[in-house]
Amino acid sequence: QVQLQESGPGLVKPSETMSLTCTVSGGSFRSSSIDYFWSWIRQPPGKGLEWLGYIYHTGATTYNPSLKSRVSLSIDTSTNQFSLSLTSVTAADTALYYCAKGWGNNKGTYFDPWGQGIMVTVSS
Amino acid sequence: QSVLTQPPSVSGAPGQRVTISCTGSWYNIGAGYDVHWYQQLPGAAPKLLISANSNRPSGVSDRFSGSRSGTSASLAITGLQAEDEADYYCQSYDNSRGSSEFFGTGTKVTVL
Repeated sequence: QVQLQESGPGLVKPSETMSLTCTVSGGSFRSSSIDYFWSWIRQPPGKGLEWLGYIYHTGATTYNPSLKSRVSLSIDTSTNQFSLSLTSVTAADTALYYCAKGWGNNKGTYFDPWGQGIMVTVSS
Repeated sequence: QSVLTQPPSVSGAPGQRVTISCTGSWYNIGAGYDVHWYQQLPGAAPKLLISANSNRPSGVSDRFSGSRSGTSASLAITGLQAEDEADYYCQSYDNSRGSSEFFGTGTKVTVL
């Protein structure tokens, strides 16, 4: 059974770049017949969920247009890890960050399973 | 700001049936994109409850069911139990605004 685990710093200074990594274990990182959409989703304290983007095993990416200029995803299939980079962070980026496995087709994508999440606070 | 609107809260007594609506538009649900539902228990990560409008993953109780019609979708919980008290989110793809996955605004279910 696939499990995902987020890792990275819990505190980032304003205007700096935040970097998080998700390690995938217990399952295949890629499939010959199904495209997996390795995803990042965040949740500010007390608020709802916001999709940030996903990356395929090929390295192709799709980002949330509202964050596109600041978000970057990368993948390392040799270590079963994918990563999130968010530049020029502000207090508004303070959130619980989740990584998740996405299952997609031409009708959309759903996310299952999710990691436990990592809290990132932006503060000086 | 989400393109999928849910009621902020719904409540019911144990054993009752409650429904949560997810209202979209012709750019998402109405365009034929699937709707998925997640349950987020207090202090936990979201968990997939319903995929592709009405499919229950293995291990999800059959007390949960989903449907889609026009530009909206619904999640129904029958035989409400105390353990169902959680936040629920719908999710779909939207092909306006540059195209993106969107989560609904979220609904808090309270068991009275």
